[in-house]
Amino acid sequence: SQQGEEDPQALSIQEGENATMNCSYKTSINNLQWYRQNSGRGLVHLILIRSNEREKHSGRLRVTLDTSKKSSSLLITASRAADTASYFCATHLGNAGKSTFGDGTTLTVKP
Amino acid sequence: DTGVSQNPRHKITKRGQNVTFRCDPISEHNRLYWYRQTLGQGPEFLTYFQNEAQLEKSRLLSDRFSAERPKGSFSTLEIQRTEQGDSAMYLCASSLMFQWNGYTFGSGTRLTVV
Repeated sequence: SQQGEEDPQALSIQEGENATMNCSYKTSINNLQWYRQNSGRGLVHLILIRSNEREKHSGRLRVTLDTSKKSSSLLITASRAADTASYFCATHLGNAGKSTFGDGTTLTVKP
Repeated sequence: DTGVSQNPRHKITKRGQNVTFRCDPISEHNRLYWYRQTLGQGPEFLTYFQNEAQLEKSRLLSDRFSAERPKGSFSTLEIQRTEQGDSAMYLCASSLMFQWNGYTFGSGTRLTVV
């Protein structure tokens, strides 16, 4: 079973609005990553936040991490139609090779 | 180096046939991973290599699945006696071992077993 759970499963917004996606996980982590996946394609790494960080920014992306609540959020500001994709969180522990992915949030941005 | 390359992009095979997929990672990356993704789900870990050594295999990886990474460069994933339940997107990713900063994924191989 997957560790991460994204919420909501699907989100539809108008271009220019902000989109917020949440991720909850169950066990201790060293870092948490967010990825984007366009339909039928591979995943693209967006941002990584380490367990000792609370917030991180990259362009129009803002990620927060609350290790006490075992949750993270991804905020996309001023959304564009090109942001339409599925977004996945993935947790990583120690020097383990694997990450554990959630089932994703499907974001639709209407022009 | 243009990223992680996977071949073929699509594969349709009859149940019971064997299939092999190839992944060429980013040349500087010493770790290579295989994930499987079914429709509407997130990627599930299958196995990973550090250089040529296979360090971990998921319990999802039945004995019909085998992966190799000879000489620590490209990797192959073979599925023997395919079943309809094997239909999925098979994703390859690579990363550095140290200063780990997430995966670089390939575009995947879409397998359809008919």
